[in-house]
Amino acid sequence: AQTVTQSQPEMSVQEAETVTLSCTYDTSESDYYLFWYKQPPSRQMILVIRQEAYKQQNATENRFSVNFQKAAKSFSLKISDSQLGDAAMYFCAYRSEDYGGSQGNLIFGKGTKLSVKP
Amino acid sequence: KAGVTQTPRYLIKTRGQQVTLSCSPISGHRSVSWYQQTPGQGLQFLFEYFSETQRNKGNFPGRFSGRQFSNSRSEMNVSTLELGDSALYLCASSLGGGRAWGEQFFGPGTRLTVL
Repeated sequence: AQTVTQSQPEMSVQEAETVTLSCTYDTSESDYYLFWYKQPPSRQMILVIRQEAYKQQNATENRFSVNFQKAAKSFSLKISDSQLGDAAMYFCAYRSEDYGGSQGNLIFGKGTKLSVKP
Repeated sequence: KAGVTQTPRYLIKTRGQQVTLSCSPISGHRSVSWYQQTPGQGLQFLFEYFSETQRNKGNFPGRFSGRQFSNSRSEMNVSTLELGDSALYLCASSLGGGRAWGEQFFGPGTRLTVL
């Protein structure tokens, strides 16, 4: 069974600084997807960034980028120029490839609570 | 487009009762997934429905069930409630076709408290 581990329950960053959230996963599969989701307090979970396992190039979305190390099974999220609105729980998630098109069955880590100090 | 909606937002029940939660996906989305979020266990996948058929199922007891209607709206039911069923239940919708790359859009959740 696949597992996702986020070893940092809480992180703190100064506004405008850079922070990196860690995520490791365990799988025997070769095709899969990795995601970072953000859950602000009392607000809906939203997708921050995603990575296909077969792509060597790291995904980037504006201030958010990942460092995907497939051999090490590591998938860290870097937030540059941190803003107050980045304060939230961040979840790393894994999904197996499914050629039937199943888009459910995300396996989540326990999350990292990010605080942003003004 | 309207986002994923879930009703009710809050619910209080007592042990032994049953409960039905509803989820309306984004228009055009055919896949609906349900997740349970608790402080102890985190986010756990319950099941996914696509075109009125259960396509995937997590490791939950049979007390947890669901269904999907022809308009893609979905309901989940929990029978014989236990204290441990207290959780935030999240619904997520996605287009459902193609490979598993698709993004899931989450609803605000239903907060269930079992007394």
